[in-house]
Amino acid sequence: GQNIDQPTEMTATEGAIVQINCTYQTSGFNGLFWYQQHAGEAPTFLSYNVLDGLEEKGRFSSFLSRSKGYSYLLLKELQMKDSASYLCAVESNYQLIWGAGTKLIIKP
Amino acid sequence: DAGVIQSPRHEVTEMGQEVTLRCKPISGHDYLFWYRQTMMRGLELLIYFNNNVPIDDSGMPEDRFSAKMPNASFSTLKIQPSEPRDSAVYFCASSLAAGGIYEQYFGPGTRLTVT
Repeated sequence: GQNIDQPTEMTATEGAIVQINCTYQTSGFNGLFWYQQHAGEAPTFLSYNVLDGLEEKGRFSSFLSRSKGYSYLLLKELQMKDSASYLCAVESNYQLIWGAGTKLIIKP
Repeated sequence: DAGVIQSPRHEVTEMGQEVTLRCKPISGHDYLFWYRQTMMRGLELLIYFNNNVPIDDSGMPEDRFSAKMPNASFSTLKIQPSEPRDSAVYFCASSLAAGGIYEQYFGPGTRLTVT
């Protein structure tokens, strides 16, 4: 079956670093996406990993280990505007299989 | 480009009524996806099209749901008859291609409430 697991909710402090984990078991794998979704808005693309390793994009980095079925999204220098849900999605057979999302709460 | 356009943004209807949701994808995008999002079930793929042809509708919950894409710039998702459990946010998304690095661009969504 298809299964993607993320923590339901995380809390972090403004200016700090937070790591959001995602583990997956899917019948196929063609890449892993991270999307950000602010409350009441649509998801927006953050990152894409297809090879093992770390992809860095400004304050955000995403890591993938295909052998472990594991990814994480690292957010540095947290800002209040980073309060949102972060969705992990695995591409399998030309479709995205979505995790339930991690709600990130940033405290001043 | 204006991005993916959806209408209406909000829809409130009574159980048993027909509901039609509309989507205009980004020009040049060959793939269009319809999703439903609820607190309980998260984001679920309902159906997707490639070059206006439905490819996989296995996520459509039941026969009350139908989707069409008569041309490259327009798609509809219809629920007939609607039920309270259909209340959700329905997103339309489009992408240049499926697979690989081609991210999906989401519309603002239609918040459907069935009473």
